[in-house]
Amino acid sequence: NAGVTQTPKFRVLKTGQSMTLLCAQDMNHEYMYWYRQDPGMGLRLIHYSVGEGTTAKGEVPDGYNVSRLKKQNFLLGLESAAPSQTSVYFCASSYPGRRSNQPQHFGDGTRLSIL
Amino acid sequence: DAKTTQPPSMDCAEGRAANLPCNHSTISGNEYVYWYRQIHSQGPQYIIHGLKNNETNEMASLIITEDRKSSTLILPHATLRDTAVYYCILNTGTASKLTFGTGTRLQVTL
Repeated sequence: NAGVTQTPKFRVLKTGQSMTLLCAQDMNHEYMYWYRQDPGMGLRLIHYSVGEGTTAKGEVPDGYNVSRLKKQNFLLGLESAAPSQTSVYFCASSYPGRRSNQPQHFGDGTRLSIL
Repeated sequence: DAKTTQPPSMDCAEGRAANLPCNHSTISGNEYVYWYRQIHSQGPQYIIHGLKNNETNEMASLIITEDRKSSTLILPHATLRDTAVYYCILNTGTASKLTFGTGTRLQVTL
């Protein structure tokens, strides 16, 4: 049981390049999320998904796109990378909130540098 | 706009209880209080959550005041491995989105 796995762990891009970050979870969770964390700050939500085929914008969605073609995978895309997108990206997943609510489970992060 | 207020940093001696406070005076009736921690640069780790009753698990205890306007996370016997940033977060669970503030940096010392 791997939990939440993020690929890759590190990446360096040049300005204008594109790339896709992959998040995979094996807990059969309905909800998945992408966050970014800049130095000295808390996590900020980029996009999230409440189920296969559905996505929604979070707090800081500009410059990113996402797709949830399979329940277990949530992809984060950067079409044209900018230095402001240098950050650590975290993926999380959870069951939908029920009476007792459900915590989110996080991956170990992808460290992305844009030169 | 921050919905929770936490001290930026705290120190605790190893073996002693660490009591981390959180103020959430505008909490809504359907919002749970969640605690997560982030050790160094790892992904946040879920600790505990509660609605209005005190909660305890193998990691910590959560004390929520009767008016639910504040809470305290208690690590009963802090170790060096508990050094981390601790986040107090409110969440309704409707879409389970979490809003992270800057948290409390807990330093456990010998």
